Amino acid sequence: GAGVSQSPSNKVTEKGKDVELRCDPISGHTALYWYRQRLGQGLEFLIYFQGNSAPDKSGLPSDRFSAERTGESVSTLTIQRTQQEDSAVYLCASSLDAPGQETQYFGPGTRLLVL
Amino acid sequence: AQSVTQLGSHVSVSEGALVLLRCNYSSSVPPYLFWYVQYPNQGLQLLLKYTTGATLVKGINGFEAEFKKSETSFHLTKPSAHMSDAAEYFCAVSDPNFGNEKLTFGTGTRLTIIP
Repeated sequence: GAGVSQSPSNKVTEKGKDVELRCDPISGHTALYWYRQRLGQGLEFLIYFQGNSAPDKSGLPSDRFSAERTGESVSTLTIQRTQQEDSAVYLCASSLDAPGQETQYFGPGTRLLVL
Repeated sequence: AQSVTQLGSHVSVSEGALVLLRCNYSSSVPPYLFWYVQYPNQGLQLLLKYTTGATLVKGINGFEAEFKKSETSFHLTKPSAHMSDAAEYFCAVSDPNFGNEKLTFGTGTRLTIIP
């Protein structure tokens, strides 16, 4: 595809429910990132996938958050038992992650609202 | 550990005036530096980046930034503001020793253009 796509674009859920957010990276990009952007704040790193290496999960805020990636393609971010403080825009980015190719390309985000 | 400070969460300039958005960073190693722009309801778009070489980098839409190691700064400038420049701007830093993992973002500066 032409760019990083994310779905859904908006998600409203009730507190306690689980949600799944999807990211389709740019074809051929080996690295994939998830970030969280709370209202009025900067982006907060969540997790990083690079090829077949073990993902860097150091940014996940709690064990309610998890993410998977199938090979070098689609990734899913799952939030279990959602809380109101999980309300944010969740952004996905991908890159080639090679010397000279450091630029991360971002998707439009999924806006999550937990009621 | 790295950090980014963007002075001024909101900046207003008149159309045609100079745009100056400030970014200071802390890093234990020479970093890679980025400016991203986020238009309303859109994903982040790379404006420009500094990795190595010339410290004055030019980006899209007439923006440029200068890496000043002695001042640990990477301020973003544009000589003449246009109405279409109204957006939120994020400065980010990464550690080249770790490739492009975990961009650390500032909290953003919202730029308003006054007609």
